[in-house]
Amino acid sequence: QVHLQESGPGPVKPSETLSLTCTVSGVSGSRYYWNWIRQSPGKGLEWIGYIFYTGSTNYNPSLKSRVTISLDTSTIQFSLSLRSLTAADTAVYYCARGRYTGEIDSWGQGTLVTVSS
Amino acid sequence: DIQMTQSPSSLSASVGDRVTITCRASQGISTSLAWYQQKPGEAPALLIYAASTLQSGVPSRFTGSGSGTDFTLTIGSLQPEDVATYYCQNYDTAPLTFGGGTKVEIK
Repeated sequence: QVHLQESGPGPVKPSETLSLTCTVSGVSGSRYYWNWIRQSPGKGLEWIGYIFYTGSTNYNPSLKSRVTISLDTSTIQFSLSLRSLTAADTAVYYCARGRYTGEIDSWGQGTLVTVSS
Repeated sequence: DIQMTQSPSSLSASVGDRVTITCRASQGISTSLAWYQQKPGEAPALLIYAASTLQSGVPSRFTGSGSGTDFTLTIGSLQPEDVATYYCQNYDTAPLTFGGGTKVEIK
């Protein structure tokens, strides 16, 4: 059974860059989309972007200028970099696996990122 | 972007009641729609994909229907463990977009 686990820095300051890594275990096959999704406190879900197993990426236009997602296929880890942070980026960040058909079938437990000076 | 509009935003029903949640897409998405259940303090979990296909392990009291712009999630007989927030999601066209959620409580 697939397991995803986010790891990250905890509190970050405004204007800094957030770096998160998702470690994947128990996966067989390779044709997946690897997603980052966030949820602001008490709010709904916002898709940040994904990287396909081929390395191609797709980002939410609302964040595209500040986001980079990368993939290490040898270790099955993928990472999120979000630049120029503001308080509005405070959220629980989830990594998640999307099937080739598009639906997201597995999620990490999420990691809370607080942007505060 | 495709906007996903859910209704109601919250509901309260009795154990055993039939519960229906609707989701409307701002443009047609065929059947590229998923439903997720999020319990307090947990990550979302996939319930239904392709508008009506039940994810493995999900109880059969959950059913989905619809295509194009109008979709429905039905809980056939509400159970205490179904207390959660439910989200619909478009995966037809990027950016992937979610509905605002429906919070389901027990009366």
